[in-house]
Amino acid sequence: QKEVEQNSGPLSVPEGAIASLNCTYSDRGSQSFFWYRQYSGKSPELIMFIYSNGDKEDGRFTAQLNKASQYVSLLIRDSQPSDSATYLCAATTGGFKTIFGAGTRLFVKA
Amino acid sequence: ETGVTQTPRHLVMGMTNKKSLKCEQHLGHNAMYWYKQSAKKPLELMFVYSLEERVENNSVPSRFSPECPNSSHLFLHLHTLQPEDSALYLCASSQRVGGTEQFFGPGTRLTVL
Repeated sequence: QKEVEQNSGPLSVPEGAIASLNCTYSDRGSQSFFWYRQYSGKSPELIMFIYSNGDKEDGRFTAQLNKASQYVSLLIRDSQPSDSATYLCAATTGGFKTIFGAGTRLFVKA
Repeated sequence: ETGVTQTPRHLVMGMTNKKSLKCEQHLGHNAMYWYKQSAKKPLELMFVYSLEERVENNSVPSRFSPECPNSSHLFLHLHTLQPEDSALYLCASSQRVGGTEQFFGPGTRLTVL
């Protein structure tokens, strides 16, 4: 069973701090990795994707991928209360399947 | 309309009813997906269509029947559902099947009595 694992949280950080969200995946054949944000009562929206080992930065967000360790992370710098949401990690294997983790709930305290 | 739309947004049905969920994407994408999202569980992929052809049927019970008449429309026909089928049903689309960004619709909140 191919899986994507995330700590369900909640992860609570003060406003302005760095939030660190982690994800591991079981299928070594996974090639593409995504971070989606889902606000309560809303549908997921993509915030970052990463294909290659290393870091990818986009504004306050940095995605990190380590294929040897089968590990993906998302760093949110200068966290804001509006970042409070559930963050879904997803991995796409060779083929059609995108496997989602159950998500990590993030609370940013003002 | 822009993006991915879904109707109805909320649906309550009895176990003997037949209903359909509708999804439409206005993005010119070639792939469409149905997902089930239950509380505290990962998104479960149900069906994948690429250019109107089903390419994935993820061991979904036959009481769920998908239909994709063209690359912009996707339906999920429901009949004789069980209370455990109550969930948020999300439709998504992407440029192509595989490792590309998926755009999600707002979902249909389904309650089976």
